[in-house]
Amino acid sequence: NAGVTQTPKFQVLKTGQSMTLQCAQDMNHEYMSWYRQDPGMGLRLIHYSVGAGITDQGEVPNGYNVSRSTTEDFPLRLLSAAPSQTSVYFCASSYDYETSTDTQYFGPGTRLTVL
Amino acid sequence: TQLLEQSPQFLSIQEGENLTVYCNSSSVFSSLQWYRQEPGEGPVLLVTVVTGGEVKKLKRLTFQFGDARKDSSLHITAAQTGDTGLYLCAGEPINDYKLSFGAGTTVTVRA
Repeated sequence: NAGVTQTPKFQVLKTGQSMTLQCAQDMNHEYMSWYRQDPGMGLRLIHYSVGAGITDQGEVPNGYNVSRSTTEDFPLRLLSAAPSQTSVYFCASSYDYETSTDTQYFGPGTRLTVL
Repeated sequence: TQLLEQSPQFLSIQEGENLTVYCNSSSVFSSLQWYRQEPGEGPVLLVTVVTGGEVKKLKRLTFQFGDARKDSSLHITAAQTGDTGLYLCAGEPINDYKLSFGAGTTVTVRA
């Protein structure tokens, strides 16, 4: 199993550009989520999905869209990039949404810089 | 304002010394997890504690969940250079299955 994969690893955007961060998992996990990690702030939940066709907002959803058309893929779209979105983005998945009893697996991250 | 406060933010010790990292909150959690993150990689789960007062050991690492399920600690005995990394605690609040992360503690173990 490849686990959780993310592409690209690095990206530089100009303000106003849009792009999609890709996330895929091959573990047949139902629960997938997107976090951003900023210095001194830990990881903050952007959006999550408890299964194909179901998505919901996390703590910091503004400026981001998600969709979950398949169990495997959970792309994150930046609609109009802003410098405040400069961050490291992590995708994670777990077998079930009951994260208290389930291991959450993280991808290697995408480092995004918005100029 | 973060739901979980970790302290200290940075910790630098000599190989062989002991260290403790704290994770505190005023909220009650149904479970609490500890992760370690290496530079350039995603966090990796170390342990999950679910019962108040629970103590779990993972080789030289000891994790404790407070009796009231509002706080946790991670103690490393005889630290090694391989223990260097960012340690994150994350809690699942009561009635909310979404994890809330602390800001992390950067641990550096010097040879």
